[in-house]
Amino acid sequence: TQLLEQSPQFLSIQEGENLTVYCNSSSVFSSLQWYRQEPGEGPVLLVTVVTGGEVKKLKRLTFQFGDARKDSSLHITAAQTGDTGLYLCAGHQAGTALIFGKGTTLSVSS
Amino acid sequence: EPEVTQTPSHQVTQMGQEVILRCVPISNHLYFYWYRQILGQKVEFLVSFYNNEISEKSEIFDDQFSVERPDGSNFTLKIRSTKLEDSAMYFCASSDRDSNEKLFFGSGTQLSVL
Repeated sequence: TQLLEQSPQFLSIQEGENLTVYCNSSSVFSSLQWYRQEPGEGPVLLVTVVTGGEVKKLKRLTFQFGDARKDSSLHITAAQTGDTGLYLCAGHQAGTALIFGKGTTLSVSS
Repeated sequence: EPEVTQTPSHQVTQMGQEVILRCVPISNHLYFYWYRQILGQKVEFLVSFYNNEISEKSEIFDDQFSVERPDGSNFTLKIRSTKLEDSAMYFCASSDRDSNEKLFFGSGTQLSVL
């Protein structure tokens, strides 16, 4: 069974702080994606990482794919209240459907 | 921006009843998916659909579930005889290419089985 473990499950921080959330697996993935989900809405794709060691930046968000393509991290610099939400990692193994981790619920307070 | 639309947004049904959840994928997309999310749990894959047939399904997608693309625009999920444990948010998604490409998700249908 493919499993994507996300940590921490919950994170509560103050505006302006930095944070990192993690997505780990014992399996190799051909790609990993990060989604953000707001309450009552579907997940919205933030980024896809494909190459081992790849780093992608999206404004204050930095995404990294592990060298072995088994793990990924999302780092947010100077968090804002608008960053509050559920962050999901999801992965593809070759020829299989996209599977999701349980997510990290981020709360940023002012 | 084009979007995936799902109806209804909420569906309440009695145990044992049939429900049909409807989705209109993005018009030029070729791959369609159903996922579900039970409250407090992760988003789970149900089924993928391409070229008018199921391309992959999970263990959850048993004989009580079926999918159909009845016309050129709609993509439906039918649950024949609902169970209490079918209560969940059901998300439809579509993409224009397979595997690594971006999945666009709808806002979901909240199904409550009483």
